[in-house]
Amino acid sequence: GENVEQHPSTLSVQEGDSAVIKCTYSDSASNYFPWYKQELGKRPQLIIDIRSNVGEKKDQRIAVTLNKTAKHFSLHITETQPEDSAVYFCAAHHTNAGKSTFGDGTTLTVKP
Amino acid sequence: EPEVTQTPSHQVTQMGQEVILRCVPISNHLYFYWYRQILGQKVEFLVSFYNNEISEKSEIFDDQFSVERPDGSNFTLKIRSTKLEDSAMYFCASTRDSNTGELFFGEGSRLTVL
Repeated sequence: GENVEQHPSTLSVQEGDSAVIKCTYSDSASNYFPWYKQELGKRPQLIIDIRSNVGEKKDQRIAVTLNKTAKHFSLHITETQPEDSAVYFCAAHHTNAGKSTFGDGTTLTVKP
Repeated sequence: EPEVTQTPSHQVTQMGQEVILRCVPISNHLYFYWYRQILGQKVEFLVSFYNNEISEKSEIFDDQFSVERPDGSNFTLKIRSTKLEDSAMYFCASTRDSNTGELFFGEGSRLTVL
């Protein structure tokens, strides 16, 4: 089955700095890669996603890159703000299996 | 905006008791999921459900677990005989189709087994 590895497990940055979180996946048939943000006690919420036919996608301060050959994808947050502090999960979705496999999560802390 | 709703938000039960967690997926969605998150850990896939049957399940989803869509709207997760290690947040999710992949999560049901 699919295995998703996520690094780092914790990340602390100063407000205004950039943050990068990286994930690798094992199943080349996975074709959709969402990133979820989870605040304490809340549900995961989609913040950005990328499909396997695209290399990069950007939405304001958030961008995601995908390298299908190397089977890795990354989340980039620029100009971080304290409200970006949360746990971020990457996931790899396999259409045929119909499920998303999540990484272990990265706890991002943005210090004011 | 339509949302996935879950009940109860929190349930406390004694070990060995049966628990049913309920979910109402978004009405035009076709794929339904249960995920589990033990406190401070990652979101783990339990089961996916499509066309009134299980399409995929994980090793966690053993004989103690079952899912059902008893009517046109509810999607339930039953744990027959709860164990201490079943204590977790259980998230229901739905998606319009498998190609889309974007999961819409409910707010979760926190299960505490004593």
